[in-house]
Amino acid sequence: DARVTQTPRHKVTEMGQEVTMRCQPILGHNTVFWYRQTMMQGLELLAYFRNRAPLDDSGMPKDRFSAEMPDATLATLKIQPSEPRDSAVYFCASGSAFGGYTFGSGTRLTVV
Amino acid sequence: AQSVTQLDSQVPVFEEAPVELRCNYSSSVSVYLFWYVQYPNQGLQLLLKYLSGSTLVKGINGFEAEFNKSQTSFHLRKPSVHISDTAEYFCAVSEPGGGADGLTFGKGTHLIIQP
Repeated sequence: DARVTQTPRHKVTEMGQEVTMRCQPILGHNTVFWYRQTMMQGLELLAYFRNRAPLDDSGMPKDRFSAEMPDATLATLKIQPSEPRDSAVYFCASGSAFGGYTFGSGTRLTVV
Repeated sequence: AQSVTQLDSQVPVFEEAPVELRCNYSSSVSVYLFWYVQYPNQGLQLLLKYLSGSTLVKGINGFEAEFNKSQTSFHLRKPSVHISDTAEYFCAVSEPGGGADGLTFGKGTHLIIQP
């Protein structure tokens, strides 16, 4: 089965450090999403891309978060500097409404 | 803007009993509706989706859902649950007609299967 691959699966970092999360979407999927999941807020849409172009990043704190798609096989989400409140599970998903969206297994980020 | 309300945060059910997980949505335009399941420490897996056509949608693992436009609901059902159905279930909506494809999720319902 085709799958969305996220790395790393787990990341523990100190406050103030830069964190980069990577996602390899399914080949041929032209829409890629980044979501954040926390107990308090549930699943929040941070940003999404279509054909590598950013379409909506209104859910993302602009001062410290950035999302890019340098090529069709890689999407990145970067936090600089990281803060304890950024601790969450970050999911990448790709696909379309017609085909369904496929989620990766997530990156569990802990900022201490 | 769209929103999704999952009315129950937790639903305990005995094994082999039927279950219904409730979902209501709010939107000013036509919507696509989805149910996802999340097992512990895993990503979300698509159970089923409604795009158009028949209001009764069948998905994987014996689940089905019915779209009711007048009640703005998309409840998930299974006639007989198994221990392995214990998981978190998320209802989601998107508004492709409104120009946004991003999914808006409900808070989730934790389905607990009791032996």
